[in-house]
Amino acid sequence: DTAVSQTPKYLVTQMGNDKSIKCEQNLGHDTMYWYKQDSKKFLKIMFSYNNKELIINETVPNRFSPKSPDKAHLNLHINSLELGDSAVYFCASSQAGVAGETQYFGPGTRLLVL
Amino acid sequence: DAKTTQPTSMDCAEGRAANLPCNHSTISGNEYVYWYRQIHSQGPQYIIHGLKNNETNEMASLIITEDRKSSTLILPHATLRDTAVYYCIVKSGNTPLVFGKGTRLSVIA
Repeated sequence: DTAVSQTPKYLVTQMGNDKSIKCEQNLGHDTMYWYKQDSKKFLKIMFSYNNKELIINETVPNRFSPKSPDKAHLNLHINSLELGDSAVYFCASSQAGVAGETQYFGPGTRLLVL
Repeated sequence: DAKTTQPTSMDCAEGRAANLPCNHSTISGNEYVYWYRQIHSQGPQYIIHGLKNNETNEMASLIITEDRKSSTLILPHATLRDTAVYYCIVKSGNTPLVFGKGTRLSVIA
């Protein structure tokens, strides 16, 4: 069974369009994240949700709006797509414990804005 | 910004041990040392983590110096499938991972 899944795997779209990426985890974790990996391969946190509540928003443009309908899902909606939004987006989930916290990542969604 | 320093790249012969160093001289008392790797075109994968004691699991061993200012990830018998970018990250609590540039490990046949 896939622990963290994302759809779609590939997304090609025109500038100015609105698109959504979906993420689901079946691990029962309370915390979910969105990371962005740009063309230079730098991985950066975008958002963090805990029990459906936003806890971190790392200066991401407000064209990006995460939505968590329940703690197993964290979707990412992007309005008015720009060329610079082209990247690989990774979803992750985790559950904090007394001995640290392990994050599990999805396979990524490769977004190309033309 | 990442709080760790790693070599940009390393090579390792297949079947030999790969030793990946990491410096984290400003680590705080409640921060763990985590290692993740990213194989080409895949999502990052958790390898191992530790606080102050050395740790071992089915993938690797983690050696942390007594002063906790540096650590070494050891892959005991590297295979071609271990070719990846390896990230050393220090953090506490249920917080996002801050990725640096990592070490690109190439395992050579």
